Amino acid sequence: DAKTTQPNSMESNEEEPVHLPCNHSTISGTDYIHWYRQLPSQGPEYVIHGLTSNVNNRMASLAIAEDRKSSTLILHRATLRDAAVYYCILIMEYGNKLVFGAGTILRVKS
Amino acid sequence: EAGVAQSPRYKIIEKRQSVAFWCNPISGHATLYWYQQILGQGPKLLIQFQNNGVVDDSQLPKDRFSAERLKGVDSTLKIQPAKLEDSAVYLCASSPLRRLATGGELFFGEGSRLTVL
Repeated sequence: DAKTTQPNSMESNEEEPVHLPCNHSTISGTDYIHWYRQLPSQGPEYVIHGLTSNVNNRMASLAIAEDRKSSTLILHRATLRDAAVYYCILIMEYGNKLVFGAGTILRVKS
Repeated sequence: EAGVAQSPRYKIIEKRQSVAFWCNPISGHATLYWYQQILGQGPKLLIQFQNNGVVDDSQLPKDRFSAERLKGVDSTLKIQPAKLEDSAVYLCASSPLRRLATGGELFFGEGSRLTVL
C-alpha cells in the first residue's frame, strides 16, 4: 500500500476551522483516500473518503490536490469532541483492508 | 443498529498465560478484522476473514496467536502463551462490502485492552 505522511500533532481553538494535511506522493491513479479518526478509548471511525474531486459530508470536507499527491481534511468548526487521532489511509481500488500509520493527534483548546 | 461488540473490555494476565477475546460483528457483515494497537501507535492488522474463511493472516504471529470465525459470524482471537509485548488493545472491525475503497467503511468495536505482567 502507498505510504502517507502526516504531522505528529496539531492544535486548534474551539469553534475555529482545522486543516489536517496528508502527503501521499507515491499515490497511484486507482488509490482512494480515506480518513478515519479515533477518539480516546474508542475504536477508529470513518470520516470521509474521495478519489479525485473534493468531498463534503456532515462530519468534514476533503480537499484533494489536483496532482493527488496531497489532501487536506477540513473540520469547519472544531469542537472539544473532535479531539482525536486522525488517520489518512490509501486504499487500492480493489483493496479491502485498512493499513494505519501513526496519524495526527488533534488537540482542541476551549 | 447494534455496533460491533467485544469482550472482555479489560484483561490482566501473567506472561505465559493464555487469553481469549470475543467479537460479535454487525449483523450481516461478511468481513471481519482483528487489529492490534500498541500504545502510541496506529492499529496493525492481524487477520481478516471473509465469511468464515481467512483472507489475510500474514501479520498474525502464528506460533502464539490463533483466530477463528465459526459459522461466519462471531470470532475469537486467542493468545497462548502471552508475552509482555502482547500488551495492547485488540480491536475487532466488520464491514458489509467487499470493495472498501469505493464506499465501504469499517465499523470498529471499542476494543479489548490486554495487560501482560
